[in-house]
Amino acid sequence: SAVISQKPSRDICQRGTSLTIQCQVDSQVTMMFWYRQQPGQSLTLIATANQGSEATYESGFVIDKFPISRPNLTFSTLTVSNMSPEDSSIYLCSAATHQTDTQYFGPGTRLTVL
Amino acid sequence: AQTVTQSQPEMSVQEAETVTLSCTYDTSENNYYLFWYKQPPSRQMILVIRQEAYKQQNATENRFSVNFQKAAKSFSLKISDSQLGDTAMYFCAFMRSETSGSRLTFGEGTQLTVNP
Repeated sequence: SAVISQKPSRDICQRGTSLTIQCQVDSQVTMMFWYRQQPGQSLTLIATANQGSEATYESGFVIDKFPISRPNLTFSTLTVSNMSPEDSSIYLCSAATHQTDTQYFGPGTRLTVL
Repeated sequence: AQTVTQSQPEMSVQEAETVTLSCTYDTSENNYYLFWYKQPPSRQMILVIRQEAYKQQNATENRFSVNFQKAAKSFSLKISDSQLGDTAMYFCAFMRSETSGSRLTFGEGTQLTVNP
């Protein structure tokens, strides 16, 4: 299984600012994903991070609000732009390979927007 | 679109006893994967067990086993000899079987508390 780290683990931000979350995998993976988990709720997929091309966003999520980069097979970033208190959530990245088709998750980033 | 339903928001069990968490799903796909993940207070999502839909045999991982009923679209998780460390939110998840990998669709979760 892949070992995934995220930075920062938590942050408290002011309304209107942006935060970039980093996700690092210890091995090359085929797929990387970003999820949001709002307080007391389940996980919702934001987008699939594609290496060398634009991310594929789910309904309700747009690139201007959640720009994603994936410059190589082990690293991705998610930016939460122009934040509002409604963006307060846990953001998790996950990764999978063709061989396993199983997604392993990072420890998450707890974001609080004041 | 696939949906996953966990009808038990909360459950509790005494240490060393057995508990079963329920999950049903809806899909028109024939090939897919099903998963149970646990999320303790640390918020780390941890894979518990995985089942391929084409396999009739139920998956087991130590104290964790599933009862997979494909026709009924049911995928329950049984935890035997419950331990305090099993206290967590448990999520059932569905994934279509695609060679390029696919999105996970999660249920709403069941909060399991193991009491001493």
